[in-house]
Amino acid sequence: EPEVTQTPSHQVTQMGQEVILRCVPISNHLYFYWYRQILGQKVEFLVSFYNNEISEKSEIFDDQFSVERPDGSNFTLKIRSTKLEDSAMYFCASSENGRTRASTEAFFGQGTRLTVV
Amino acid sequence: AQSVTQLDSQVPVFEEAPVELRCNYSSSVSVYLFWYVQYPNQGLQLLLKYLSGSTLVESINGFEAEFNKSQTSFHLRKPSVHISDTAEYFCAVRRYNQGGKLIFGQGTELSVKP
Repeated sequence: EPEVTQTPSHQVTQMGQEVILRCVPISNHLYFYWYRQILGQKVEFLVSFYNNEISEKSEIFDDQFSVERPDGSNFTLKIRSTKLEDSAMYFCASSENGRTRASTEAFFGQGTRLTVV
Repeated sequence: AQSVTQLDSQVPVFEEAPVELRCNYSSSVSVYLFWYVQYPNQGLQLLLKYLSGSTLVESINGFEAEFNKSQTSFHLRKPSVHISDTAEYFCAVRRYNQGGKLIFGQGTELSVKP
């Protein structure tokens, strides 16, 4: 069964360093998302991406964050200068189509646990 | 704007007992409704969804949820739980026919004891 894969599963980084979280969405999907879950809190939407551009972003997704689809398969989230409060589980997701009812299901990866020290 | 409230952060139950995980939502527009499950050390998996039609939806592993528009609720139920149902359960909503952003509740940790 097709699945969304994320690497690495766990990343430890020093405060102020740049990190790139990687995701390979399901191959025929067109919409891509990043969510995060701070320990003990709810899953929060960060950004959605379609047709090589951001389609929606939350207030969390500030100038420190960026997303990219560098090739036909990868989808990355970059945090330029990490802060302690960026420590969280980051989930990538993809869906065939973000709009029509027929494909409303988002498939999630297993997550990358980012620890900023 | 949409919001989702899961009233119980933790629900401990004994094996074979019934369980209900509560979810209420608030939205000024029509939404789709979802339940996702997160087993320990795994990602989020779709458990079931309500798009339209029958207000009672079922999953393949015995869970069901009922959409109640007047009470803006989408509670998840199972008549008899197993140890393997131990997981965190998230209720989520998404706006009709718009971008795929999901709004999640806080999650409910279901702990099934023998």
